[in-house]
Amino acid sequence: DTEVTQTPKHLVMGMTNKKSLKCEQHMGHRAMYWYKQKAKKPPELMFVYSYEKLSINESVPSRFSPECPNSSLLNLHLHALQPEDSALYLCASSRITGTNEQFFGPGTRLTVL
Amino acid sequence: KNEVEQSPQNLTAQEGEFITINCSYSVGISALHWLQQHPGGGIVSLFMLSSGKKKHGRLIATINIQEKHSSLHITASHPRDSAVYICAAHRMNRDDKIIFGKGTRLHILP
Repeated sequence: DTEVTQTPKHLVMGMTNKKSLKCEQHMGHRAMYWYKQKAKKPPELMFVYSYEKLSINESVPSRFSPECPNSSLLNLHLHALQPEDSALYLCASSRITGTNEQFFGPGTRLTVL
Repeated sequence: KNEVEQSPQNLTAQEGEFITINCSYSVGISALHWLQQHPGGGIVSLFMLSSGKKKHGRLIATINIQEKHSSLHITASHPRDSAVYICAAHRMNRDDKIIFGKGTRLHILP
């Protein structure tokens, strides 16, 4: 299985809602990443997990809360988001951190009303 | 100036044409990715290379470390190759974070 899956595919939420994005891989990768991508822009790194521990937080607002409950799963908990947080959220994984090929999921398209 | 620059930004070509997309970078890198993103979002990793040349089907990627330049070539282009192609570099000594180019939007006409 060489796939990174993400659910849901689309999400519409209000500014007071709490929701979660889920990412899963079964390639035995021990590094997982969250990226945010606005329209016609390259992805921007948000978080990196290495061996289930948060290793990089790119100064992301606390309304985004990542969680890595085990080596296959990565969640992104969302609370009190702003309309400007509407974007495509991409998950990726690699064997370990460092110079290793990253495999991307299909993304969750988030709209905040 | 971005650390990773791509050209052209947009490219429209006829089916069957040979396509070249260029990527230049200004920092020391340990490896370079070529990625493909179709409308709708998902990113596919095409190549990761740190020297020389790699080929997969109709796609060829080359890198010249001395000149800090990489190219992605598509032979016998097809409308299904229409996508955004992104060059992304693993920066040396900072290789947990990759630097993305702005992408090249390719449109192949039937």
